[in-house]
Parts: sequence; structure tokens; C-alpha cells
Amino acid sequence: SQTIHQWPATLVQPVGSPLSLECTVEGTSNPNLYWYRQAAGRGLQLLFYSVGIGQISSEVPQNLSASRPQDRQFILSSKKLLLSDSGFYLCAWTPPGRTEAFFGQGTRLTVV
Amino acid sequence: AQSVTQLDSQVPVFEEAPVELRCNYSSSVSVYLFWYVQYPNQGLQLLLKYLSGSTLVKGINGFEAEFNKSQTSFHLRKPSVHISDTAEYFCAVSEDGYQLIWGAGTKLIIKP
Repeated sequence: SQTIHQWPATLVQPVGSPLSLECTVEGTSNPNLYWYRQAAGRGLQLLFYSVGIGQISSEVPQNLSASRPQDRQFILSSKKLLLSDSGFYLCAWTPPGRTEAFFGQGTRLTVV
Repeated sequence: AQSVTQLDSQVPVFEEAPVELRCNYSSSVSVYLFWYVQYPNQGLQLLLKYLSGSTLVKGINGFEAEFNKSQTSFHLRKPSVHISDTAEYFCAVSEDGYQLIWGAGTKLIIKP
């Protein structure tokens, strides 16, 4: 069966520090991968999605970047965090050719 | 889909009472429709989906939803709610099978 792992679950980082959140999917090949951000009291904002290794599409300009070094690995990064980067970050994947998404448990990021 | 509207940010309801969470979307093409549930500090879990066929879709935990093409709606219903249904519910729509357009979410509050 397929599973998705996202870590860490919580993270407190100072302003100006770097960020690296990792997401891996098991039990499938060539998944579509997504990073979402959920700010308090708001819905989901799609940040990045990837349909293959090295293929990253950005939905909104921001202080973040994403990379897909391996088929089932998706990394969200920042060189210098801002206070406004605080939020709940969710990784998700969809099987090739399908739309239903499966989510990781999320990372609560607090920038202080 | 151009947008997804969840008309209620919060819905309070007494335990064992019925509930309906509303979702409307705007699109001129055929769409795929989804409802997801998010328990506190967790990722999202698929409740049910409409891809084609019968407009009444049954999902997990006793929830169901009905696709109404003429009204561009996909309302979620449960005949009798429980305390364990306390969560945030998200409606999502996809036109292209790649990207999901998300509603802002509805918090279901169960009153004892």
C-alpha cells in the first residue's frame, strides 16, 4: 500500500534561518507531488507541484522553493525565513492520471 | 474551476442532528468533485469523491454528497452527527485532473 511521510511534525525557527521540509512517498511510482500551505483560519494554498523529477511548477511568488531530487521525494526550502512563512505545511501526492490527493500529516512551522 | 465557495465558515449542530455543509463551484466544463476532512493538527483525509455516474456519492463515516450540475453544487450531508465528526471539511474541484481548487473550509462544531 502507498504511504506518505512528512517531517518534522513541528518546527520553530528564527527569522532569517533556512528551512528544509521533506516529504517521501512509498509504494507508488511517478506520483504527482504537491506542497500546500494552510494559514490559520484559511483554506489550502497550493505552493508547488511536480509531475516528475526536476519538474517544479510554482503557483505563487514567495520566499520558498521546492525540489524533487528523486521520483518519490519532494523538498520544500527557504534560504531565509520570514515571519509570514509561519503556517501549516502539507505535502500531498496523486497517482498518475488521477486527481484524488493523499496527504501527509503536515508540519506546523512557527517563525519567531 | 474558477472558484469553490463554501458558504459557511462554521456550522454548529447538536449531536445526533443532521447536518449539511454547502459547496458551490464555478466552471464551464466537466469537473471532478471531492470532500476532505481535517482533524486538528493532521493532514487531510478523503471523505468521498464524484468522478462520473450516479450523482449521489457515499463516503466514509456515514457521509454522502450529491452533485447537482444545474446548481453547480456538491453539498455534504450526514443524517446524524457524532462528537467525533468535529473537524474542518474542505470541498475541492478539479477540471484538468492535475490541480485541485479548494474551498476555504467549514468547521463543523458538534454541541453535546
